[in-house]
Amino acid sequence: DVKVTQSSRYLVKRTGEKVFLECVQDMDHENMFWYRQDPGLGLRLIYFSYDVKMKEKGDIPEGYSVSREKKERFSLILESASTNQTSMYLCASTPGLSNNEQFFGPGTRLTVL
Amino acid sequence: GNSVTQMEGPVTLSEEAFLTINCTYTATGYPSLFWYVQYPGEGLQLLLKATKADDKGSNKGFEATYRKETTSFHLEKGSVQVSDSAVYFCALSDRGAGRRALTFGSGTRLQVQP
Repeated sequence: DVKVTQSSRYLVKRTGEKVFLECVQDMDHENMFWYRQDPGLGLRLIYFSYDVKMKEKGDIPEGYSVSREKKERFSLILESASTNQTSMYLCASTPGLSNNEQFFGPGTRLTVL
Repeated sequence: GNSVTQMEGPVTLSEEAFLTINCTYTATGYPSLFWYVQYPGEGLQLLLKATKADDKGSNKGFEATYRKETTSFHLEKGSVQVSDSAVYFCALSDRGAGRRALTFGSGTRLQVQP
């Protein structure tokens, strides 16, 4: 089974802090994604990566950056956390080029005070 | 661009009732369609999928048929259980449009009462 793990289930940070969210997948998938989930808005794509050191902006990249130094690991960085970044963050991965399902991690619920 | 529209929730049903959650989509290419389920405190997991028109996806008693003529992918189950209480997301993947990520609907919360 594909396993996608995220470093924390719950995280509380203060405004202005730099925050790192880590995601690791164990199935050698090329593509990895970061979404945020908010009530009534579904999942919105923040960033994705289709190869090591490659990244592309999603629909809501402002205030975020990402890093993919190794194929299995994709990090989301909040350079200076703000209260409007309080949300559930979901990482996902998918193999190859076809219209495959995405495999999701359990999520990190981030609260910024 | 691509979009997915789901019915507003919450949907509250009694155990053994029939379930329909409506989903319609807009896509520029030839999308694959998915239903994901999120149980309380967990991430999303794939429930079923369909990759071309008239395909029917099914799993755990849930079904959805890819209707190109009505651009719909409605989720149905004949007899819901309390354990089906979760949030359900309809999504599409449109690689033909050059987009690698999924486009999600807003989610529909289902509450099943004993």
